[in-house]
Amino acid sequence: SQTIHQWPATLVQPVGSPLSLECTVEGTSNPNLYWYRQAAGRGLQLLFYSVGIGQISSEVPQNLSASRPQDRQFILSSKKLLLSDSGFYLCAWSVHRVLSGNTIYFGEGSWLTVV
Amino acid sequence: AQTVTQSQPEMSVQEAETVTLSCTYDTSESDYYLFWYKQPPSRQMILVIRQEAYKQQNATENRFSVNFQKAAKSFSLKISDSQLGDAAMYFCAYGSNYKLTFGKGTLLTVNP
Repeated sequence: SQTIHQWPATLVQPVGSPLSLECTVEGTSNPNLYWYRQAAGRGLQLLFYSVGIGQISSEVPQNLSASRPQDRQFILSSKKLLLSDSGFYLCAWSVHRVLSGNTIYFGEGSWLTVV
Repeated sequence: AQTVTQSQPEMSVQEAETVTLSCTYDTSESDYYLFWYKQPPSRQMILVIRQEAYKQQNATENRFSVNFQKAAKSFSLKISDSQLGDAAMYFCAYGSNYKLTFGKGTLLTVNP
C-alpha cells in the first residue's frame, strides 16, 4: 500500500532563516506531488505541484520554491522566511494522470511558525 | 479559475441527527470531480466521498451521501446518524487538471 511521509512535523524558525520541508511517497511510482498551505482559519491553498522529476508548477508567487530531485521526493524550500510564511503545510500525492477521479492523499502536515 | 464556496463557516448537530453541509462551485468545464474531505483535530486530511461530474447518481458512502446538482453547481454533503467522531472541519474540493481547489471549510460540532 502507498504511504506518504513529511517532516519535520513542527518547526519554529526566525524571520530571514532558510526552510526545508521534505516529503516522500512509498508504494507507487511517478506520482503527482503537491504542496498545500493552510493558514489559520482558512482553506487549503495549492502552492506547487509536480507531474514528474524536475517538473514544478507554481500556483502562487511567493518566496517559497519546490524541487523534485527524485521520483517520490518533494521538497519545499525558502532562502529567507517571512512572518507571513507561518502556517500548516501539507504534502500530497495522486496517481500520475490527469485528475479525473484520482483522489489526492495527504501527509500528516508540518506546522511552521516564523518568529 | 475555478472557485469553491462553503457558505457555512460553522454548523452543529445533535448526536444521531442528520446534518447537511453546503458547497457551490464555479467552473466552465464539463469534466471534473468533486470531493469532500474531513480534517479532525489531528489535522490529517481524510477523504470522505467523491463524485464524478458525468454521473447523475449521487455518491454514497455509509452514513455520508451527497446531493449533486450539476446545473446549479451545487454539491452538498449529508451526514446521517451523526456521531461524536464526525466532529471536524469539512472541506469541499473541485478537481480538474491535476489539481484540487478547496473551499474554506465548515466546522462541524456534534453535541452529545
